[in-house]
Amino acid sequence: NAGVTQTPKFRVLKTGQSMTLLCAQDMNHEYMYWYRQDPGMGLRLIHYSVGEGTTAKGEVPDGYNVSRLKKQNFLLGLESAAPSQTSVYFCASSYDSRYGYTFGSGTRLTVV
Amino acid sequence: AQSVTQLDSQVPVFEEAPVELRCNYSSSVSVYLFWYVQYPNQGLQLLLKYLSGSTLVKGINGFEAEFNKSQTSFHLRKPSVHISDTAEYFCAVSVVEYGNKLVFGAGTILRVKS
Repeated sequence: NAGVTQTPKFRVLKTGQSMTLLCAQDMNHEYMYWYRQDPGMGLRLIHYSVGEGTTAKGEVPDGYNVSRLKKQNFLLGLESAAPSQTSVYFCASSYDSRYGYTFGSGTRLTVV
Repeated sequence: AQSVTQLDSQVPVFEEAPVELRCNYSSSVSVYLFWYVQYPNQGLQLLLKYLSGSTLVKGINGFEAEFNKSQTSFHLRKPSVHISDTAEYFCAVSVVEYGNKLVFGAGTILRVKS
């Protein structure tokens, strides 16, 4: 089925380790986003991209980096994981915000 | 800056009772408004959206919402809830500028009891 695929679904990291979360969409959407979800705080935008080769900072970008080398993929990197980055991460894509976003199923990350 | 306030963090309700989930937003320009639903351990799914035109918007699963520009509100309603409606609901506003970003509220957990 067409949509947004996130890998991995679960991950446990030790403090200071690095990792990359992969988001892939097959809908030819220009816009892609990374959000983190924490209890009582809703979804907060980490980084986003308005097209291949572009990235921009969102509301909570510190400690994360992103890349969009191909239109269909949007990677989120954690260079040195911290316990404060324990969260559920969602990727989303859209053709135009008027049509809403399509979300992936999320990655549950625990940093110990 | 855009912001979205969901006035209730949790709403308990009995099955077959009506429910209203409240959402207020701040914006000085025209907005697009959305409601998303998140079932346990799943991603977010679009329930309904307001772009323009009729202020009463109907969505999936029997939900509807009413846009009130003067009160900057977009409350979600359902006349009769089911156990299966138990989920977290998010209101969101679209920032119509570079990036087409959605700003989300903190969420409201709807708990339907039998």
